[in-house]
Amino acid sequence: QKEVEQNSGPLSVPEGAIASLNCTYSDRVSQSFFWYRQYSGKSPELIMSIYSNGDKEDGRFTAQLNKASQYVSLLIRDSQPSDSATYLCAVNRDSGYSTLTFGKGTMLLVSP
Amino acid sequence: EAQVTQNPRYLITVTGKKLTVTCSQNMNHEYMSWYRQDPGLGLRQIYYSMNVEVTDKGDVPEGYKVSRKEKRNFPLILESPSPNQTSLYFCASSPYSGANVLTFGAGSRLTVL
Repeated sequence: QKEVEQNSGPLSVPEGAIASLNCTYSDRVSQSFFWYRQYSGKSPELIMSIYSNGDKEDGRFTAQLNKASQYVSLLIRDSQPSDSATYLCAVNRDSGYSTLTFGKGTMLLVSP
Repeated sequence: EAQVTQNPRYLITVTGKKLTVTCSQNMNHEYMSWYRQDPGLGLRQIYYSMNVEVTDKGDVPEGYKVSRKEKRNFPLILESPSPNQTSLYFCASSPYSGANVLTFGAGSRLTVL
């Protein structure tokens, strides 16, 4: 059974701080990694994808991947109240694989 | 506007009354999938389709049926709904042959009494 684990939170950070969200996965052959953001009552939306070890930056977001440790993280710099949402980590074996396995999500609360 | 459209968005029904949740995408995507989301259980895949006429079970297929007769449509059918199918349902699609970069529909909240 492939598993993706996330701390459910809530993770509370003040506005302007760095939020660090973590995810571990059990399937060693996983090749594709994604972070989705889900606001309360809304559908998930893709914010980051990463396929190679190291860091990938996109604006205030940085995804970090360490395949040896089976660990992927998302850093949000200069956190804003509008970043308050649940962040879902998702993992796939490769782009042609049938199933994207989601973690249960970490709730992030950014206080003004 | 590129999107995945689900209908109905909200539905209250009774046990045993057949219902269909429609899903349509206008992005010419190959891959489509249905998920259900429940508190404490996260997103779980029900069925997926890699292409027209190609469908397969996900993690929780019991009590559901799907079909993919056209590329753009992927309806979810509950032949005899039961209360344990009360959930928030999401349809998603991907331009790739598999479950990669997913675009989700707005969701359909189903209550079975």
